[in-house]
Amino acid sequence: AQSVTQLDSQVPVFEEAPVELRCNYSSSVSVYLFWYVQYPNQGLQLLLKYLSGSTLVESINGFEAEFNKSQTSFHLRKPSVHISDTAEYFCAVSESTGGFKTIFGAGTRLFVKA
Amino acid sequence: GAVVSQHPSWVICKSGTSVKIECRSLDFQATTMFWYRQFPKQSLMLMATSNEGSKATYEQGVEKDKFLINHASLTLSTLTVTSAHPEDSSFYICSASDDRGYYGYTFGSGTRLTVV
Repeated sequence: AQSVTQLDSQVPVFEEAPVELRCNYSSSVSVYLFWYVQYPNQGLQLLLKYLSGSTLVESINGFEAEFNKSQTSFHLRKPSVHISDTAEYFCAVSESTGGFKTIFGAGTRLFVKA
Repeated sequence: GAVVSQHPSWVICKSGTSVKIECRSLDFQATTMFWYRQFPKQSLMLMATSNEGSKATYEQGVEKDKFLINHASLTLSTLTVTSAHPEDSSFYICSASDDRGYYGYTFGSGTRLTVV
């Protein structure tokens, strides 16, 4: 079975600073990897995903994540954050065979300060 | 793109009553649907996996008789919280997948259940 570990429960950062939210996974088979963002009292929004191909994936709002198979990681980065990026970020993994259920990490609270 | 619609977005019910939450795939046939629960300030926990036309598979610790899941068609799955109690108050969210798993990462907008 797959599992996901988000190493930081909270990440405070100043506006316009870079940020990295860490995510490691484990699985015995190949996986799909995702980052979701959740704003207060809202549902999940898909931020970006890795299914196959290029290991570097980007979102439309400046986030990027790199799939590193050897380190079993899928860290999320942004070179310059905004106040509006304050939210909960979830890393998730879905096995690419047999069921496709998605398992979520515990979440990382990104808090951007002015 | 794939769209999953969840209804209602929020519901308040009295303790002891039952509540039904619907999850619909709008533009694809959902062979499999997943139901999650999220407690405040916590992650999403998978409750059960439902396959169209068969019984749902529940995760360990989830009460089958408490959380009834029906997946009678390829576009609709329902979660019924029976005899709800305040401790059932939570955010419930579904996701749907076709038989290739291609849409398995599309989630509904969630349902906020408050039991009073």
